[in-house]
Amino acid sequence: NAGVTQTPKFRILKIGQSMTLQCTQDMNHNYMYWYRQDPGMGLKLIYYSVGAGITDKGEVPNGYNVSRSTTEDFPLRLELAAPSQTSVYFCASIPLIGVGTEAFFGQGTRLTVV
Amino acid sequence: QQQVKQSPQSLIVQKGGISIINCAYENTAFDYFPWYQQFPGKGPALLIAIRPDVSEKKEGRFTISFNKSAKQFSLHIMDSQPGDSATYFCAASISDSWGKLQFGAGTQVVVTP
Repeated sequence: NAGVTQTPKFRILKIGQSMTLQCTQDMNHNYMYWYRQDPGMGLKLIYYSVGAGITDKGEVPNGYNVSRSTTEDFPLRLELAAPSQTSVYFCASIPLIGVGTEAFFGQGTRLTVV
Repeated sequence: QQQVKQSPQSLIVQKGGISIINCAYENTAFDYFPWYQQFPGKGPALLIAIRPDVSEKKEGRFTISFNKSAKQFSLHIMDSQPGDSATYFCAASISDSWGKLQFGAGTQVVVTP
């Protein structure tokens, strides 16, 4: 199993451009998440999905969109990139919810908006 | 606002020493408290976790201490090794909140030889 795979690993965007961060998992997990990590701030939840076709906003959803057409894939779309979206983005998945469930993270996408 | 507050921001410890990282929370509905370890360029990985019905959990050199009345929990790394140099995040979640994690700000631990 590859686990959670994110692409690309690095990207530089110009202000106003758009892009899609890809996330795929091969563990048949229903629950998937997008977090952003900023220095000294920990990880903040952007969006999450509890299954194909079901998504919901997290703590910091503004400027982002998601879709979940399959169990495996959970892409994150940035429209009109802004410098405030410079961050490291992590995708994660959980096999089932409940107390004591481990989240599996991808290796991250480092995005710089200039 | 940060629902889980973590300190210190960074920590330098000599090989063989003890690293201690502290976290505090406000929401008494939290019922799962994991610690994640992150190496540079990698995603976080679960290190150890505790539930509030237990005051301490030990796995090898890593121990979580949990104080429910004070709403605090801490990670102790015994006999710290250079390979333990990483960023450590405490987190908390509620079992019926769809697995969403609230993270602390992180602690960068450097273990010197």
